[in-house]
Amino acid sequence: EDQVTQSPEALRLQEGESSSLNCSYTVSGLRGLFWYRQDPGKGPEFLFTLYSAGEEKEKERLKATLTKKESFLHITAPKPEDSATYLCAVRKTGGGATNKLIFGTGTLLAVQP
Amino acid sequence: GAVVSQHPSWVICKSGTSVKIECRSLDFQATTMFWYRQFPKQSLMLMATSNEGSKATYEQGVEKDKFLINHASLTLSTLTVTSAHPEDSSFYICSATRTNWTSDRFISIPYFGPGTRLTVT
Repeated sequence: EDQVTQSPEALRLQEGESSSLNCSYTVSGLRGLFWYRQDPGKGPEFLFTLYSAGEEKEKERLKATLTKKESFLHITAPKPEDSATYLCAVRKTGGGATNKLIFGTGTLLAVQP
Repeated sequence: GAVVSQHPSWVICKSGTSVKIECRSLDFQATTMFWYRQFPKQSLMLMATSNEGSKATYEQGVEKDKFLINHASLTLSTLTVTSAHPEDSSFYICSATRTNWTSDRFISIPYFGPGTRLTVT
């Protein structure tokens, strides 16, 4: 069964305390893994897309990496404004609807000043 | 800037009435759009796939007569919640995929709208 699992469910960091969020997946035929940031009451904001194992993407304090079984979102020296829910989603080959995403349950990140 | 818009951002309606939510892709065309529903502190739940020029595809357990979807053009999809009841109160989010070719690969990224908060009284 296709599944996306994110851990931890919630993470509290001090400002400047680096950490990583995990997204593990079991899908047949990965056609992309996506990271989104979601603030309360808003839609998900696109951060990164990764397509193949070994690929890495960076943006400011965030870095996403991908292996054959999981992806990590590394947060370096976080600031309070990085507080949000981070969602991971995978897209698989085949199926009746192309571009259909399977979402994880998200990691709620709180960065304290 | 935003690449997918939704309107309205919030709506309050009385039980038994219908509500229409619009989703527009900005600066690109989308033959397929997706409608999600999100409950508090939960992840997104796919409701249906909106296909331009054809019928929408609904996920298991989603009532197609309750949630009417119309994808009238390559930049507009609408979700109509018919005969709304309090249990339909939720956060509704649409998504459209923008595709383009880079120098070495085909990139396809789903972008999400800002969401619509529906409250049925």
